[in-house]
Amino acid sequence: ETGVTQTPRHLVMGMTNKKSLKCEQHLGHNAMYWYKQSAKKPLELMFVYSLEERVENNSVPSRFSPECPNSSHLFLHLHTLQPEDSALYLCASSQERGIMNTEAFFGQGTRLTVV
Amino acid sequence: AQKITQTQPGMFVQEKEAVTLDCTYDTSDQSYGLFWYKQPSSGEMIFLIYQGSYDEQNATEGRYSLNFQKARKSANLVISASQLGDSAMYFCAMREGQAGTALIFGKGTTLSVSS
Repeated sequence: ETGVTQTPRHLVMGMTNKKSLKCEQHLGHNAMYWYKQSAKKPLELMFVYSLEERVENNSVPSRFSPECPNSSHLFLHLHTLQPEDSALYLCASSQERGIMNTEAFFGQGTRLTVV
Repeated sequence: AQKITQTQPGMFVQEKEAVTLDCTYDTSDQSYGLFWYKQPSSGEMIFLIYQGSYDEQNATEGRYSLNFQKARKSANLVISASQLGDSAMYFCAMREGQAGTALIFGKGTTLSVSS
């Protein structure tokens, strides 16, 4: 299997549930990202991991908790979410080599609905 | 202030015609990269083309070309000979400064290609 794989593709959860989104990349990249895509809004960067260390956290509420156990896997743990957290959550990876031409490769996303 | 501005929420084009999707950006960095992505209804973000701030030639990739006007801070995507499969959302993105920073995206343009 190649590329960036996200599971599950669709998730419906209640506001009191705890769930996790999983992202796996088979590209040998050393940086991984979580983005949130809501309707009619730009993609919002949530978290950045480089070499398995969190390097960026864009004022994301604590009900979202990322985890990067190794360079190939990234999780987003969810608990006590709100309906406005319903969105498409996209995972991406890239190879950071100290040059600018490093496009990010994206997974197909997890469509999350909070009820 | 927005870093990436895409002023066209929607564009319509007929098959085999060319179309230009606009993108302007805002940065004070001398070194940056500009990217275009395509997002079909399936949700996956597909990398199309890259332009570095020091590149003197406009980038081209098959039917995609990037009209880079540095002084105007614009990086428009030109799609030649449109096909029905080009119907999708198109996002302009930028990476500033040193590699290791994440992509910042615009709001996107929906392209509809008709026969």
